[in-house]
Amino acid sequence: KNEVEQSPQNLTAQEGEFITINCSYSVGISALHWLQQHPGGGIVSLFMLSSGKKKHGRLIATINIQEKHSSLHITASHPRDSAVYICAVERGSQGNLIFGKGTKLSVKP
Amino acid sequence: KAGVTQTPRYLIKTRGQQVTLSCSPISGHRSVSWYQQTPGQGLQFLFEYFSETQRNKGNFPGRFSGRQFSNSRSEMNVSTLELGDSALYLCASSLGATYTEAFFGQGTRLTVV
Repeated sequence: KNEVEQSPQNLTAQEGEFITINCSYSVGISALHWLQQHPGGGIVSLFMLSSGKKKHGRLIATINIQEKHSSLHITASHPRDSAVYICAVERGSQGNLIFGKGTKLSVKP
Repeated sequence: KAGVTQTPRYLIKTRGQQVTLSCSPISGHRSVSWYQQTPGQGLQFLFEYFSETQRNKGNFPGRFSGRQFSNSRSEMNVSTLELGDSALYLCASSLGATYTEAFFGQGTRLTVV
């Protein structure tokens, strides 16, 4: 079993829909990262959180340390949100991330 | 300010050769981490350097090595290339303290033939 599990693997949504991507992990962590990867490979860090909730524009990330679970929400989704979203956990040592397999999101106009 | 720069962007090498990839971090960042991304294994941590010292290492064979220079630029080297080393190699830089955000480069796509 992978230490970081994401669901769903693939997600297709209509423009404007509310989207939720889930991440569960089985190890102790110091922080959890949500990353976005567009075709071509470049990765953008969306959030880094160790507790509670963070919001940037239409994106919201939450984490429940006790339940070892995090969610990434996208409100009013747009075709430009189409990308692979990756959850990664940091185990106390800088840079040593364990990655989920990613969720491929496609938002249709 | 300039982002994380990786060179080259694309590379084709033959089995048995060696390769060196470069990563220039954001100015002021002292930590550089390297990752390998393949379709089968996804993203995996290779190693992390801070102030010219390797602080952390992932589970990769000794053919994979790296170093960091005094200006924080980092290189990774893969010797005796195998077909399975074909991957996207990403680096990320950060300030290096706990709980600091990482900024990723565009990656170097290595193809071994």
